Amino acid sequence: DGGITQSPKYLFRKEGQNVTLSCEQNLNHDAMYWYRQDPGQGLRLIYYSQIVNDFQKGDIAEGYSVSREKKESFPLTVTSAQKNPTAFYLCASRGTAGANVLTFGAGSRLTVL
Amino acid sequence: GEDVEQSLFLSVREGDSSVINCTYTDSSSTYLYWYKQEPGAGLQLLTYIFSNMDMKQDQRLTVLLNKKDKHLSLRIADTQTGDSAIYFCAESSDTGRRALTFGSGTRLQVQP
Repeated sequence: DGGITQSPKYLFRKEGQNVTLSCEQNLNHDAMYWYRQDPGQGLRLIYYSQIVNDFQKGDIAEGYSVSREKKESFPLTVTSAQKNPTAFYLCASRGTAGANVLTFGAGSRLTVL
Repeated sequence: GEDVEQSLFLSVREGDSSVINCTYTDSSSTYLYWYKQEPGAGLQLLTYIFSNMDMKQDQRLTVLLNKKDKHLSLRIADTQTGDSAIYFCAESSDTGRRALTFGSGTRLQVQP
């Protein structure tokens, strides 16, 4: 089945450590997105990539980095510079069928101890 | 910038209709969406509407759009306990980054 796979599902990190969240899609979508979700808040856009080897900052990019070396993969690194990294992270992709519909992965929950 | 607002909580009895409301500010919105999120899971698209439409119906779901007032609603008929979840309203435009801007979500609780 086509879809988006995020890993790990749960991740614990000590303060001062970088951590990388994986996002892989087999939908042949060009565009991919990373959102952050905090309790009682909507999703906020961290980074997005509309094509391989190109990516742009979203609304809350500080303390995060990404790469897009392959169409299928869009990993997110949460760096030690991110002041409040505990959150639920959602990866999504968009195809070319129109209506800008995003397909989401199941999410990764990061907890900083 | 764009802003999307929703009420935080709605409680209904099983079998009743649920109506979840949303307002948005971006006049250039091209599409408006409703997504559903169950606990600990990603978001699942329920339906979307093009901004030049007034209404869209899909089985138990009815979406109404008042573009003049920038108001979107989702009606769920014959609400079931399995409909308990968080419902997100979102909007996007067909220019620029084409990302979705989300509201804070409405938690729907269905009482048996």
